[in-house]
Amino acid sequence: DAKTTQPTSMDCAEGRAANLPCNHSTISGNEYVYWYRQIHSQGPQYIIHGLKNNETNEMASLIITEDRKSSTLILPHATLRDTAVYYCIVIYFGNEKLTFGTGTRLTIIP
Amino acid sequence: EAEVAQSPRYKITEKSQAVAFWCDPISGHATLYWYRQILGQGPELLVQFQDESVVDDSQLPKDRFSAERLKGVDSTLKIQPAELGDSAMYLCASSLDGGDYGYTFGSGTRLTVV
Repeated sequence: DAKTTQPTSMDCAEGRAANLPCNHSTISGNEYVYWYRQIHSQGPQYIIHGLKNNETNEMASLIITEDRKSSTLILPHATLRDTAVYYCIVIYFGNEKLTFGTGTRLTIIP
Repeated sequence: EAEVAQSPRYKITEKSQAVAFWCDPISGHATLYWYRQILGQGPELLVQFQDESVVDDSQLPKDRFSAERLKGVDSTLKIQPAELGDSAMYLCASSLDGGDYGYTFGSGTRLTVV
């Protein structure tokens, strides 16, 4: 599976859009980008995934660059409850094994 | 919303003692995973089950760790004997179809070995 690089930490003001970047320059054509988050003392929570098209659901939007070497997770209106560690993971569809890095610690500031 | 149940939520045990964790996945989820998360790191896969069969236990320290899912439903992870370095969060997750549309994780068991 392709390796990902994320910033260690980020801050975002409450009510603003939080944009979390992820680099995955070695991604192959049939690998998907998945995002999970982990709120303190809880298990990771699935957010969204995509292959090459931009995706949106009730939690977030995922923007994948045309060359697929990077992506951005967007939380459109961040709240204090979005404070968490966000993991960007690249895996083959149906691979069944998530490999977590250290993620980005996002802090939403009142 | 369906949840993955884990117990206990917290466990403190002495070094060299045996300890066990239990997980009940979402009903109908054939695939079950156990992960270990050391403080400050991301979760690391220990073992993966498909129904009652082990699919991958390559990262499971088999000299002291064991896992079973006898009827293909709930699962138990055991450590015997526990060591100080086993202090971590132990997370269980399940998926319906290989995780293509996301895994569901439980809240974990926080183990402290003293």
